[in-house]
Amino acid sequence: QKEVEQDPGPLSVPEGAIVSLNCTYSNSAFQYFMWYRQYSRKGPELLMYTYSSGNKEDGRFTAQVDKSSKYISLFIRDSQPSDSATYLCAMNVYGGATNKLIFGTGTLLAVQP
Amino acid sequence: EAGVAQSPRYKIIEKRQSVAFWCNPISGHATLYWYQQILGQGPKLLIQFQNNGVVDDSQLPKDRFSAERLKGVDSTLKIQPAKLEDSAVYLCASSPPGADTQYFGPGTRLTVL
Repeated sequence: QKEVEQDPGPLSVPEGAIVSLNCTYSNSAFQYFMWYRQYSRKGPELLMYTYSSGNKEDGRFTAQVDKSSKYISLFIRDSQPSDSATYLCAMNVYGGATNKLIFGTGTLLAVQP
Repeated sequence: EAGVAQSPRYKIIEKRQSVAFWCNPISGHATLYWYQQILGQGPKLLIQFQNNGVVDDSQLPKDRFSAERLKGVDSTLKIQPAKLEDSAVYLCASSPPGADTQYFGPGTRLTVL
């Protein structure tokens, strides 16, 4: 079983739709959760990070963590064609000497104009 | 603030040849990472440096891969000899002191024929 599971998609939605991207994980020691956005032929760009269960909002993006279910989500409101990219979840044990991020496989999102 | 710089952006070699990649992290970032991202997968950590010391190289195939970070700034990753399965994007990332967030460069896309 992989430590982090993510539906690879592709996910295609019309412009303006609400998008829900999800990851599950098996390691209960994970405490630090991130979402990265990766455009084609570019490096991953940090979108959101959180240390705790609950919701964190930043503009059109909301990150949600449910540690009891080992489940994290990223919601995108009013999706735009410029949101078309691969979204990677990543997680780590906070404060460890090594800071190895464990990534999901990424979900490819296409927002149709 | 300038981001993480990597070169070359693309490289095509034949199997059994050697290749080297270069990374310049964000100024002041003490921690530097090399990740391998195979097509359709999330990045996988190869090696982590703290200043010029290795913190984690547990997933680096040491029979063919080597990395160094002289003077605690720039880093090079070398593959010798390359195999077909080394075809991937090699991403460099860096973190500021005391932070968990990692900032990625654009990557080097390696094709081994």
